[in-house]
Amino acid sequence: DGGITQSPKYLFRKEGQNVTLSCEQNLNHDAMYWYRQDPGQGLRLIYYSQIVNDFQKGDIAEGYSVSREKKESFPLTVTSAQKNPTAFYLCASSIIGTGTYEQYFGPGTRLTVT
Amino acid sequence: GDSVTQMEGPVTLSEEAFLTINCTYTATGYPSLFWYVQYPGEGLQLLLKATKADDKGSNKGFEATYRKETTSFHLEKGSVQVSDSAVYFCALRTNAGGTSYGKLTFGQGTILTVHP
Repeated sequence: DGGITQSPKYLFRKEGQNVTLSCEQNLNHDAMYWYRQDPGQGLRLIYYSQIVNDFQKGDIAEGYSVSREKKESFPLTVTSAQKNPTAFYLCASSIIGTGTYEQYFGPGTRLTVT
Repeated sequence: GDSVTQMEGPVTLSEEAFLTINCTYTATGYPSLFWYVQYPGEGLQLLLKATKADDKGSNKGFEATYRKETTSFHLEKGSVQVSDSAVYFCALRTNAGGTSYGKLTFGQGTILTVHP
Protein backbone atom coordinates (compact mmCIF):
# COMPACT_ATOMS: atom_id res chain seq x y z
CA ASP A 1 0.00 0.00 0.00
CA GLY A 2 1.38 3.40 -0.99
CA GLY A 3 1.09 6.26 1.40
CA ILE A 4 2.63 8.57 3.97
CA THR A 5 3.57 7.47 7.45
CA GLN A 6 4.21 9.76 10.37
CA SER A 7 5.54 8.64 13.70
CA PRO A 8 4.84 8.73 16.50
CA LYS A 9 1.12 9.54 16.63
CA TYR A 10 1.49 11.26 20.02
CA LEU A 11 4.65 12.88 21.35
CA PHE A 12 5.30 14.52 24.69
CA ARG A 13 8.33 16.68 25.49
CA LYS A 14 9.55 19.01 28.16
CA GLU A 15 10.05 22.66 27.34
CA GLY A 16 13.58 23.43 26.15
CA GLN A 17 14.10 20.09 24.37
CA ASN A 18 14.40 19.66 20.62
CA VAL A 19 12.18 16.97 19.09
CA THR A 20 12.17 15.40 15.62
CA LEU A 21 9.01 14.25 13.86
CA SER A 22 9.29 11.57 11.22
CA CYS A 23 7.66 11.60 7.77
CA GLU A 24 8.16 8.86 5.18
CA GLN A 25 6.41 8.38 1.83
CA ASN A 26 6.52 5.53 -0.68
CA LEU A 27 4.51 7.30 -3.38
CA ASN A 28 7.64 8.34 -5.31
CA HIS A 29 6.58 11.98 -4.98
CA ASP A 30 9.18 14.69 -5.52
CA ALA A 31 7.60 17.37 -3.32
CA MET A 32 7.05 17.12 0.43
CA TYR A 33 5.51 19.58 2.88
CA TRP A 34 5.09 20.18 6.60
CA TYR A 35 1.99 21.93 7.99
CA ARG A 36 1.00 22.91 11.48
CA GLN A 37 -2.67 22.73 12.56
CA ASP A 38 -4.05 24.73 15.46
CA PRO A 39 -7.72 24.82 16.51
CA GLY A 40 -9.69 27.39 14.52
CA GLN A 41 -6.70 28.40 12.37
CA GLY A 42 -6.63 25.87 9.58
CA LEU A 43 -3.26 24.61 8.39
CA ARG A 44 -0.16 26.74 8.00
CA LEU A 45 2.90 25.80 5.95
CA ILE A 46 6.18 25.38 7.84
CA TYR A 47 8.64 24.08 5.20
CA TYR A 48 8.49 22.44 1.80
CA SER A 49 10.92 20.63 -0.45
CA GLN A 50 10.88 20.06 -4.19
CA ILE A 51 13.97 17.92 -4.49
CA VAL A 52 16.52 16.08 -2.38
CA ASN A 53 18.93 18.38 -0.51
CA ASP A 54 16.79 21.45 -1.18
CA PHE A 55 13.96 23.00 0.83
CA GLN A 56 12.25 26.37 1.32
CA LYS A 57 10.71 28.16 4.27
CA GLY A 58 6.96 28.42 4.44
CA ASP A 59 4.89 30.96 6.31
CA ILE A 60 5.88 29.97 9.86
CA ALA A 61 9.40 28.48 9.65
CA GLU A 62 10.85 30.20 12.73
CA GLY A 63 11.82 27.68 15.40
CA TYR A 64 11.74 24.71 13.00
CA SER A 65 14.31 22.95 10.84
CA VAL A 66 14.12 20.21 8.19
CA SER A 67 16.35 18.01 6.08
CA ARG A 68 15.79 16.14 2.81
CA GLU A 69 18.61 13.63 2.44
CA LYS A 70 16.40 11.03 0.74
CA LYS A 71 13.45 11.41 -1.59
CA GLU A 72 11.27 9.33 0.72
CA SER A 73 11.99 11.14 3.96
CA PHE A 74 11.42 14.70 5.23
CA PRO A 75 11.91 14.90 9.02
CA LEU A 76 10.93 18.03 10.93
CA THR A 77 12.77 19.20 14.06
CA VAL A 78 10.90 21.41 16.48
CA THR A 79 13.59 23.35 18.30
CA SER A 80 13.53 24.97 21.71
CA ALA A 81 13.30 28.32 19.90
CA GLN A 82 9.72 27.60 18.82
CA LYS A 83 7.60 29.60 21.25
CA ASN A 84 4.36 27.62 20.99
CA PRO A 85 5.26 24.11 19.81
CA THR A 86 2.16 22.29 21.05
CA ALA A 87 0.13 21.52 17.92
CA PHE A 88 -0.91 18.87 15.43
CA TYR A 89 1.71 18.44 12.69
CA LEU A 90 0.85 17.12 9.25
CA CYS A 91 3.20 15.98 6.52
CA ALA A 92 2.13 15.90 2.86
CA SER A 93 3.60 15.01 -0.52
CA SER A 94 2.73 15.59 -4.15
CA ILE A 95 3.82 15.07 -7.72
CA ILE A 96 5.39 18.03 -9.47
CA GLY A 97 4.07 18.55 -12.98
CA THR A 98 1.85 20.54 -15.27
CA GLY A 99 -1.42 19.04 -14.07
CA THR A 100 -3.36 19.82 -10.92
CA TYR A 101 -1.92 17.16 -8.65
CA GLU A 102 -3.28 16.88 -5.16
CA GLN A 103 -1.30 16.80 -1.96
CA TYR A 104 -1.55 13.56 -0.02
CA PHE A 105 -1.47 13.86 3.76
CA GLY A 106 -0.14 11.61 6.48
CA PRO A 107 -2.12 10.82 9.66
CA GLY A 108 -0.34 13.50 11.68
CA THR A 109 1.65 13.73 14.93
CA ARG A 110 0.19 15.48 17.96
CA LEU A 111 3.00 17.15 19.89
CA THR A 112 2.51 18.33 23.47
CA VAL A 113 5.21 20.36 25.16
CA THR A 114 4.93 21.11 28.87
CA GLY B 1 -1.36 37.60 -0.31
CA ASP B 2 -3.62 34.64 -0.90
CA SER B 3 -6.35 33.93 1.63
CA VAL B 4 -9.37 31.67 2.13
CA THR B 5 -12.38 32.45 4.30
CA GLN B 6 -14.84 29.78 5.38
CA MET B 7 -18.16 30.19 7.11
CA GLU B 8 -17.98 30.07 10.87
CA GLY B 9 -18.80 26.77 12.48
CA PRO B 10 -19.61 24.47 13.99
CA VAL B 11 -22.48 23.31 11.82
CA THR B 12 -24.96 20.85 13.30
CA LEU B 13 -27.52 19.10 11.08
CA SER B 14 -29.95 16.22 11.22
CA GLU B 15 -29.43 13.26 8.92
CA GLU B 16 -30.76 13.84 5.37
CA ALA B 17 -30.59 17.65 5.73
CA PHE B 18 -29.10 19.87 3.02
CA LEU B 19 -25.56 21.10 3.62
CA THR B 20 -23.85 24.27 2.47
CA ILE B 21 -20.44 25.41 3.70
CA ASN B 22 -19.44 28.76 2.25
CA CYS B 23 -15.92 29.46 1.02
CA THR B 24 -14.58 32.64 -0.56
CA TYR B 25 -11.03 33.38 -1.59
CA THR B 26 -8.58 36.12 -2.50
CA ALA B 27 -5.76 35.22 -4.85
CA THR B 28 -3.57 36.56 -7.60
CA GLY B 29 -3.87 34.87 -10.95
CA TYR B 30 -6.07 31.84 -11.44
CA PRO B 31 -5.87 29.45 -8.51
CA SER B 32 -6.90 25.83 -8.30
CA LEU B 33 -9.49 25.23 -5.58
CA PHE B 34 -9.90 22.25 -3.26
CA TRP B 35 -12.07 20.87 -0.50
CA TYR B 36 -10.36 18.56 1.98
CA VAL B 37 -12.03 16.55 4.75
CA GLN B 38 -10.51 15.51 8.08
CA TYR B 39 -12.11 12.75 10.13
CA PRO B 40 -11.39 12.67 13.87
CA GLY B 41 -7.76 11.90 14.68
CA GLU B 42 -6.73 11.56 11.04
CA GLY B 43 -4.93 13.51 8.34
CA LEU B 44 -6.64 15.31 5.48
CA GLN B 45 -8.18 13.64 2.45
CA LEU B 46 -8.99 15.37 -0.80
CA LEU B 47 -12.76 15.52 -1.26
CA LEU B 48 -12.98 17.39 -4.59
CA LYS B 49 -11.21 19.96 -6.71
CA ALA B 50 -11.71 22.45 -9.56
CA THR B 51 -9.04 24.03 -11.70
CA LYS B 52 -10.78 26.79 -13.68
CA ALA B 53 -13.81 29.03 -13.66
CA ASP B 54 -17.20 27.26 -13.87
CA ASP B 55 -15.65 23.85 -13.22
CA LYS B 56 -17.72 21.69 -10.87
CA GLY B 57 -15.93 19.26 -8.60
CA SER B 58 -17.93 16.36 -7.19
CA ASN B 59 -17.34 13.29 -5.03
CA LYS B 60 -19.39 11.13 -2.62
CA GLY B 61 -22.48 13.31 -3.17
CA PHE B 62 -20.60 16.55 -2.42
CA GLU B 63 -20.34 19.28 -5.05
CA ALA B 64 -18.66 22.67 -5.41
CA THR B 65 -18.54 25.06 -8.36
CA TYR B 66 -15.63 27.42 -9.07
CA ARG B 67 -17.23 30.88 -9.34
CA LYS B 68 -14.68 33.41 -10.50
CA GLU B 69 -17.12 36.34 -10.53
CA THR B 70 -17.90 35.91 -6.83
CA THR B 71 -14.51 34.32 -5.91
CA SER B 72 -16.35 31.49 -4.21
CA PHE B 73 -16.24 27.69 -3.99
CA HIS B 74 -19.14 26.71 -1.74
CA LEU B 75 -19.48 23.05 -0.71
CA GLU B 76 -22.94 21.45 -0.95
CA LYS B 77 -24.54 18.07 -0.32
CA GLY B 78 -28.18 17.30 -0.79
CA SER B 79 -28.60 14.77 2.02
CA VAL B 80 -25.97 14.40 4.74
CA GLN B 81 -25.27 11.24 6.71
CA VAL B 82 -23.91 10.69 10.21
CA SER B 83 -20.70 9.44 8.59
CA ASP B 84 -20.15 12.90 7.03
CA SER B 85 -19.34 14.31 10.47
CA ALA B 86 -15.83 15.75 10.11
CA VAL B 87 -13.89 18.98 9.65
CA TYR B 88 -14.01 20.45 6.13
CA PHE B 89 -11.27 22.69 4.76
CA CYS B 90 -11.40 24.88 1.69
CA ALA B 91 -7.99 25.52 0.11
CA LEU B 92 -6.40 27.15 -2.91
CA ARG B 93 -3.15 26.85 -4.76
CA THR B 94 -1.77 29.41 -7.13
CA ASN B 95 0.26 27.57 -9.73
CA ALA B 96 3.85 28.67 -10.03
CA GLY B 97 5.01 28.84 -13.61
CA GLY B 98 2.26 26.52 -14.82
CA THR B 99 3.29 23.61 -12.64
CA SER B 100 1.34 22.10 -9.79
CA TYR B 101 4.12 22.60 -7.27
CA GLY B 102 3.32 25.11 -4.62
CA LYS B 103 1.82 25.61 -1.22
CA LEU B 104 -1.82 25.25 -0.31
CA THR B 105 -3.51 28.11 1.49
CA PHE B 106 -6.25 26.83 3.81
CA GLY B 107 -9.36 28.26 5.35
CA GLN B 108 -9.82 27.83 9.09
CA GLY B 109 -11.97 24.72 8.76
CA THR B 110 -15.64 24.08 9.49
CA ILE B 111 -16.70 21.40 11.95
CA LEU B 112 -19.77 19.48 10.77
CA THR B 113 -21.76 17.27 13.13
CA VAL B 114 -24.66 15.22 11.77
CA HIS B 115 -27.16 13.71 14.21
CA PRO B 116 -29.32 10.65 13.48
